[in-house]
Amino acid sequence: DTAVSQTPKYLVTQMGNDKSIKCEQNLGHDTMYWYKQDSKKFLKIMFSYNNKELIINETVPNRFSPKSPDKAHLNLHINSLELGDSAVYFCASSHLGSGANVLTFGAGSRLTVL
Amino acid sequence: GENVEQHPSTLSVQEGDSAVIKCTYSDSASNYFPWYKQELGKRPQLIIDIRSNVGEKKDQRIAVTLNKTAKHFSLHITETQPEDSAVYFCAASTRNTPLVFGKGTRLSVIA
Repeated sequence: DTAVSQTPKYLVTQMGNDKSIKCEQNLGHDTMYWYKQDSKKFLKIMFSYNNKELIINETVPNRFSPKSPDKAHLNLHINSLELGDSAVYFCASSHLGSGANVLTFGAGSRLTVL
Repeated sequence: GENVEQHPSTLSVQEGDSAVIKCTYSDSASNYFPWYKQELGKRPQLIIDIRSNVGEKKDQRIAVTLNKTAKHFSLHITETQPEDSAVYFCAASTRNTPLVFGKGTRLSVIA
C-alpha cells in the first residue's frame, strides 16, 4: 500500500564499505529523487530521474551513483563510504511538469558510518 | 539555479499565538511554492502550497501568502497547538525542475 517505500530504514556500516539503498514508488509518477538530510536538517537534492534519464545531479561526489531499472525504482549506491556520508536519505517521487511538483517522500533511510 | 532562504531557523511561541515563517527565492521563473512539515523522526509531508497566479491561500489555521514582485512567500499558522511543533520547510520550483528547499524552521509551541 505504501506509496514510496525505501529499504533499509537503518544502515550502520564501516568507513570504506559499499552500500545500497533501494526505493520503489507505486504512484505512477514519472520522476524520482534522492534527497540528503544532514544533522542540521538541511534537505539537499542529490539526484532526480525522469523517464529513466538523469535530469539533475547536484555537486554530489561520484562515489554516489543512482540506478533506475525502471520508472518505479530508483536505487542509490554509495562506494567507499566516509564519515560525512552519515545522514538520513529520503527517496521521493512526483509528476514533474504537472504544474505543481508535489513530492511524496519515503520514510527515510538513516545511514551511520563508523 | 534557484536559491531559497528561510527565516527564522527556530521559533518558539505560546500555545494559541500565531507563528509566521518567511522565505525568499531567487529565480523569477519559479511558479510553485509548497510548504512541508516534518515531525521528529518522520518524513516531510506537504501541508499547503501556492502557485504563482494566486496571492494567498488558506486552509483552516494555515495560510500562505506570495509576493511575486518581491520574490517572497510566508506561512502563517494561527491558534497554534502543541502538535504544530515540527520543522517546517518552504520550497520553490519551476514547472520542470525539482523542488529546492529552504533550510527549515524548527517551531516549538509551548503549552
